[in-house]
Amino acid sequence: EPEVTQTPSHQVTQMGQEVILRCVPISNHLYFYWYRQILGQKVEFLVSFYNNEISEKSEIFDDQFSVERPDGSNFTLKIRSTKLEDSAMYFCASSENRVGSPLHFGNGTRLTVT
Amino acid sequence: RKEVEQDPGPFNVPEGATVAFNCTYSNSASQSFFWYRQDCRKEPKLLMSVYSSGNEDGRFTAQLNRASQYISLLIRDSKLSDSATYLCVALSNTGNQFYFGTGTSLTVIP
Repeated sequence: EPEVTQTPSHQVTQMGQEVILRCVPISNHLYFYWYRQILGQKVEFLVSFYNNEISEKSEIFDDQFSVERPDGSNFTLKIRSTKLEDSAMYFCASSENRVGSPLHFGNGTRLTVT
Repeated sequence: RKEVEQDPGPFNVPEGATVAFNCTYSNSASQSFFWYRQDCRKEPKLLMSVYSSGNEDGRFTAQLNRASQYISLLIRDSKLSDSATYLCVALSNTGNQFYFGTGTSLTVIP
């Protein structure tokens, strides 16, 4: 069964550093998402992406965040200057269609900012 | 106001029990609904989509009540392996965002 893959599985970085989280969505999917989950808390929406542009973003997704689909397969999330409160599990997800199709999640990148 | 609300539990039930989770959503224009299961420190995994007529998958039954904006999940004959957090999810009316509930924790006890 096709799956969403994310790398790295764990990233440790110092406050103020830039990080790039990488994702390869399922190949025939058209809609891409980033979510995050702080330990013990709910899954929070960051951004959705379709047709090479952002469809919607949350208040969390401020100027420190950006997304890119640099080629036909990768989908990246960049955090320009990490803060301690960015420590969380970041999940990439994709879906086939806009309505009716569920999200398929990658196994996440655990980001630890020290 | 939260888009999707769930009772966080925890629910502790004996093996073989039947347990029901409830969820409400605030946007009447939401079109698609799902139940996900999340194990500790893992990604959410799709358990089942929720259809207007209700649907069943083995021991799991999902119901949708659009008039009351209410979704439910029934688990029959609980197994130890059902222990997890169950997430109620609604797709926004724009189709650009999936709203997640806080999750309901289930522990099935031997």
